[in-house]
Amino acid sequence: LAKTTQPISMDSYEGQEVNITCSHNNIATNDYITWYQQFPSQGPRFIIQGYKTKVTNEVASLFIPADRKSSTLSLPRVSLSDTAVYYCLVGEGNTPLVFGKGTRLSVIA
Amino acid sequence: DVKVTQSSRYLVKRTGEKVFLECVQDMDHENMFWYRQDPGLGLRLIYFSYDVKMKEKGDIPEGYSVSREKKERFSLILESASTNQTSMYLCASSLKGATNEKLFFGSGTQLSVL
Repeated sequence: LAKTTQPISMDSYEGQEVNITCSHNNIATNDYITWYQQFPSQGPRFIIQGYKTKVTNEVASLFIPADRKSSTLSLPRVSLSDTAVYYCLVGEGNTPLVFGKGTRLSVIA
Repeated sequence: DVKVTQSSRYLVKRTGEKVFLECVQDMDHENMFWYRQDPGLGLRLIYFSYDVKMKEKGDIPEGYSVSREKKERFSLILESASTNQTSMYLCASSLKGATNEKLFFGSGTQLSVL
């Protein structure tokens, strides 16, 4: 399984765009990149998933360069409610996904 | 939306007790997983199952067992609870064979072993 590395924590002010970068140097051809969000005392929640280039949904955007060795989760105009832990995972459907420690995002008023 | 339901939100048990944590999903998912989450350690995989009556050990199976008698239900069993099993337990499910696997989690069970 490809290992991921992401910052342990980040701080941001409300209204700013937040970019969280994840490195996955040994990503395999069949691996997808998936991001989850976890609020305190809740289970992680799927945010976005991609294979290459750019993916956008109502919550976030995911940018994946051509070599796929990294990815960036972009949260536009964050609010206090975006304070959470964000996990980057890579894998494909035949083996369980491995969660790292994630990035703790703190949004400040 | 997929719903993954864990039977208890909070549970307090005594050392040596046999503990059952139940998880039910309503979307006909083949894959089910049990994780535990501890401060500073992230989520760690205990056991998983890709089909009924099938089970596989994850990264930290010691002290745990599982049961998957029906497709929708995956139970985690602590044979003899110990204080180091105090943790948040999270159940998840996903579709079988999906190359872009998407996990759906329950709300978790906070277990305290005294």
